[in-house]
Amino acid sequence: DAGVIQSPRHEVTEMGQEVTLRCKPISGHDYLFWYRQTMMRGLELLIYFNNNVPIDDSGMPEDRFSAKMPNASFSTLKIQPSEPRDSAVYFCASSSHKVYGYTFGSGTRLTVV
Amino acid sequence: AQSVTQLDSQVPVFEEAPVELRCNYSSSVSVYLFWYVQYPNQGLQLLLKYLSGSTLVKGINGFEAEFNKSQTSFHLRKPSVHISDTAEYFCAVSDSPRAGSYQLTFGKGTKLSVIP
Repeated sequence: DAGVIQSPRHEVTEMGQEVTLRCKPISGHDYLFWYRQTMMRGLELLIYFNNNVPIDDSGMPEDRFSAKMPNASFSTLKIQPSEPRDSAVYFCASSSHKVYGYTFGSGTRLTVV
Repeated sequence: AQSVTQLDSQVPVFEEAPVELRCNYSSSVSVYLFWYVQYPNQGLQLLLKYLSGSTLVKGINGFEAEFNKSQTSFHLRKPSVHISDTAEYFCAVSDSPRAGSYQLTFGKGTKLSVIP
């Protein structure tokens, strides 16, 4: 099993540009989570899906952030327009209803200049 | 609402010495507790978890943790650390009874530095 796959690993973009982060969960997992990690705020849950349906998006910072899961093997997190304060490491994690314990991807390090 | 407090942001320890990383939580209901490890430039990896049963939980890489309900603690221990244990460690709590649907609340993390 290749684990949770995120792309890109690093992204540098200019303020105002659109950024799309991608995630492929582990096959068979029915929960998918997007987290953001910063020095100041630690790990924050942004949104999570169950069977491709968004369940809780209360952690999404503002309307500039959106997330989709068009099928069980793919999810995106989009920021439009991006701002310097969005700079962080974004993690995707997946989980199964049969097992306690998330599996995290390696993260995308986003830098907005 | 749940919360997790990791009392030490940084813990330096000499190689082969024992270590304890402290974690306290607050929750109004029964909890599920987790420790994750994050190596540089990597994602988080599950070390161990407490769901029920024995309060002493053993995990990977020789780590163990003890659930103490009266003190609302879940401290992580290792009797002898190695250089390769240098990483950041996160304690997390959930109060959902359903596997997979739980939302984890993470602590701020403790950076363990093993000194040769």
